[in-house]
Amino acid sequence: EVQLVESGGALVQPGGSLRLSCAASGFIFDRHGMNWVRQAPGKGLEWIAHISDKSLSIYYADSVKGRFTISRDNARNSVSLQMNSLRVEDTAIYYCARDNYWASDYWGRGTMVTVSS
Amino acid sequence: QSALTQPPSVSGSPGQSVAISCTGTRSDVGRYNHVSWYQQPPGSAPRLLIVEVSRRPSGVPDRFSGSKSGNTASLTISGLQPEDEADYYCSSFTDTTTWVFGGGTKVTVL
Repeated sequence: EVQLVESGGALVQPGGSLRLSCAASGFIFDRHGMNWVRQAPGKGLEWIAHISDKSLSIYYADSVKGRFTISRDNARNSVSLQMNSLRVEDTAIYYCARDNYWASDYWGRGTMVTVSS
Repeated sequence: QSALTQPPSVSGSPGQSVAISCTGTRSDVGRYNHVSWYQQPPGSAPRLLIVEVSRRPSGVPDRFSGSKSGNTASLTISGLQPEDEADYYCSSFTDTTTWVFGGGTKVTVL
């Protein structure tokens, strides 16, 4: 059974940093790209980052480019999102999702990030 | 990258069919068949319903179907059931190697 479990969400002040992690199991991790998708309270889904299976291709949404960094450790079956210079508008549930045929076919339950003073 | 355009809400009675449109541009929906649809019940994570415009992953009921014409993709729910009440999102790969979601459509079963 495919499982994705996010962790690391917290309350952080504007300008602060946070690192999210996603532990994957139930599939061959290094054969799939991974995505991070977020959802602000009461709002829709927003794709924010993608990393390919071997980390050769990395893409970001304009809203986080230069502030967030996605990475993965295939030996540990995990993907991370380093978030710097956090803004109030980054407040959201952050989902980790497996990429398959340019879609996110499995999702974690998400981790909540709140940016507030 | 601007969000894809979806109607905010659609509704139907049990057994009826409803369709949700998803309008993009020649840079995303119109250019690629990498269009997917997701269902998100309240308080839950999204679930993949349709991949590559019209393909249903294993376990998705066949009352969900997808199509595309030009810059607009559509999700049709045939034989609406109470458990179909949820938010639905479309998504497309884009020519700037990013992904974009629609704003979401709330489906209400009357």
